[in-house]
Amino acid sequence: EPEVTQTPSHQVTQMGQEVILRCVPISNHLYFYWYRQILGQKVEFLVSFYNNEISEKSEIFDDQFSVERPDGSNFTLKIRSTKLEDSAMYFCASSDEGNAYNSPLHFGNGTRLTVT
Amino acid sequence: AQKVTQAQTEISVVEKEDVTLDCVYETRDTTYYLFWYKQPPSGELVFLIRRNSFDEQNEISGRYSWNFQKSTSSFNFTITASQVVDSAVYFCALSVPSGGYQKVTFGTGTKLQVIP
Repeated sequence: EPEVTQTPSHQVTQMGQEVILRCVPISNHLYFYWYRQILGQKVEFLVSFYNNEISEKSEIFDDQFSVERPDGSNFTLKIRSTKLEDSAMYFCASSDEGNAYNSPLHFGNGTRLTVT
Repeated sequence: AQKVTQAQTEISVVEKEDVTLDCVYETRDTTYYLFWYKQPPSGELVFLIRRNSFDEQNEISGRYSWNFQKSTSSFNFTITASQVVDSAVYFCALSVPSGGYQKVTFGTGTKLQVIP
């Protein structure tokens, strides 16, 4: 079964540094998402992306965050200047276009970001 | 606005016992989808089930069953004859269509510990 893949699985960075989290969504999916889960807390929506632009973003997704689909397969989340509170598990997800709201989100295994 | 409430923060059961995880949701949308995801200790999110708002039939899949009651806005999940491998955090989620893509709200999760 096709999978969403995320790299790296764990990223450690120093406060103020830029990080890029990478995702390869399922190949025939066209809707992409990033979610975040601070340790022990619930999964929170960050941003949705379709047709090379952001569809919606949450209040968490401030100017420090950006997303990009640099080629036909990758979908990246960039945090420009990391803060301690950005430490979390970041999940990428994708869904079908034809059933954009009735197919389940397919999640990657997540990238655990630790900001020191 | 959407809301998902999982009132049970943690549950412990002895292996082979049945256990029910509660989920109550709020939405003004008439079309929506409900999901359950499992998050094992390794951290990934695993899709378990999707149910749309027009289908109130209960579903059984092996040891798992789901009871959708629109009248009480609940979508409860029962594991029969629990096993140690069922130990995980379980998230209930609500998806509503938003401009062609999904807007998903997660509950805070219920941590299930199955004791051998």
